[in-house]
Amino acid sequence: EGQLLESGGGLVQPGGSLRLSCAASGFTFDSSAMSWVRQAPGKGLEWVSSIKSSGESTYYAESVNGRFNISRDNSKNTLFLQMNSLRAEDTATYYCAKAKDVIYLYGLDVWGQGTTVTVSS
Amino acid sequence: DIQMTQSPSSLSASVGDRVTITCRASQSISYFLNWYQHKPGKAPKLLIYSTSSLQSGAPSRFSGSGSGTDFTLTITGLQAEDFATYYCQQSYTTPRPTFGGGTKVEIK
Repeated sequence: EGQLLESGGGLVQPGGSLRLSCAASGFTFDSSAMSWVRQAPGKGLEWVSSIKSSGESTYYAESVNGRFNISRDNSKNTLFLQMNSLRAEDTATYYCAKAKDVIYLYGLDVWGQGTTVTVSS
Repeated sequence: DIQMTQSPSSLSASVGDRVTITCRASQSISYFLNWYQHKPGKAPKLLIYSTSSLQSGAPSRFSGSGSGTDFTLTITGLQAEDFATYYCQQSYTTPRPTFGGGTKVEIK
């Protein structure tokens, strides 16, 4: 079925940067489209970003476009999210997730446990 | 942007009950609707994809129906382990999906 393990979360000041990682195992990572989804405290799930299997195409929510960058290293089965110019409203638990199909039509079928990002001075 | 509205936002039910959660899209999304279960501190789980297809490993007491703008998740015979928050998600605008606000199912 597969496993995902996020890391890299922590406390950062407004305007700062953070890089999240997501280590994948148990499935063919280089054939899988991947996404980041976040959940702010007391709020629901919010899609953040997605990347196709080869990394040639990336997609972002309007709220993070221009500040976040998604990438992947297929040789290391790892997904990344570089977060710059962080704001208080970026405070959330960030989940990485695998798409069930290559074009994301059928949902996200493998999820990590999440890593928490807190943006505060 | 397509907005997804879930109702109710929370509900109380007893073990054995039949529970129905509704999700409405602001425009037609055909059958591109998925459902997730999320428990605090845990990874979300895909339950239903493409409106009514049961994800491998999900219990058969979960079922989904609908099309266009109106969709339903039904739990037939609620179990103790089903108390969680449920989210719908449209994938019509793939690769930029939208989640509903969630429905918290609590013990009565």
